[in-house]
Amino acid sequence: SQELEQSPQSLIVQEGKNLTINCTSSKTLYGLYWYKQKYGEGLIFLMMLQKGGEEKSHEKITAKLDEKKQQSSLHITASQPSHAGIYLCGASRYGNNRLAFGKGNQVVVIP
Amino acid sequence: ETGVTQSPTHLIKTRGQQVTLRCSSQSGHNTVSWYQQALGQGPQFIFQYYREEENGRGNFPPRFSGLQFPNYSSELNVNALELDDSALYLCASSLEAGNLYGYTFGSGTRLTVV
Repeated sequence: SQELEQSPQSLIVQEGKNLTINCTSSKTLYGLYWYKQKYGEGLIFLMMLQKGGEEKSHEKITAKLDEKKQQSSLHITASQPSHAGIYLCGASRYGNNRLAFGKGNQVVVIP
Repeated sequence: ETGVTQSPTHLIKTRGQQVTLRCSSQSGHNTVSWYQQALGQGPQFIFQYYREEENGRGNFPPRFSGLQFPNYSSELNVNALELDDSALYLCASSLEAGNLYGYTFGSGTRLTVV
């Protein structure tokens, strides 16, 4: 089974609407990373969360980490076409030198 | 400051052939990790190189091998290519082997095996 489950798998929103995507881990989280990927391209780093309850924002994107639920959510306010893409969450484990990724959330923003 | 660069961007190979992919790490980064991303999947860790030595390996067969050079650039070699090796290969560099902060990815090499 997948170590990281991302939901929903895909999401279509109208421009200007808010959206939330989730990433749930089946193992203890040490660090949780959010990346954005345009189709077939590299990963662009968005945010890293490390402590339970931590919340970070960058422009219109906010990510939170719920350590008890082993879950992170990423919220986009007033979505724009530039927010379209695949959002990947990656988890690091203590003492580990790699990231385990979920399958991604595909976000489509309709003008 | 230059980012992570990968070459080539696209590649088509025949089953059974060998391929070499290249990665130049971000300035100041001494650790390089390689990932394989199949269509519709998240990236899967192949291995990491630190100070020219392999420093951790994922669940990939020995026909996946690598090198790191004194300037911290790296190569990924895949022998006896199989159709399932078709994927986007991503390289990531970081400051130190155990430090994922600042983990920076390149744009990837799209490998198609026919």
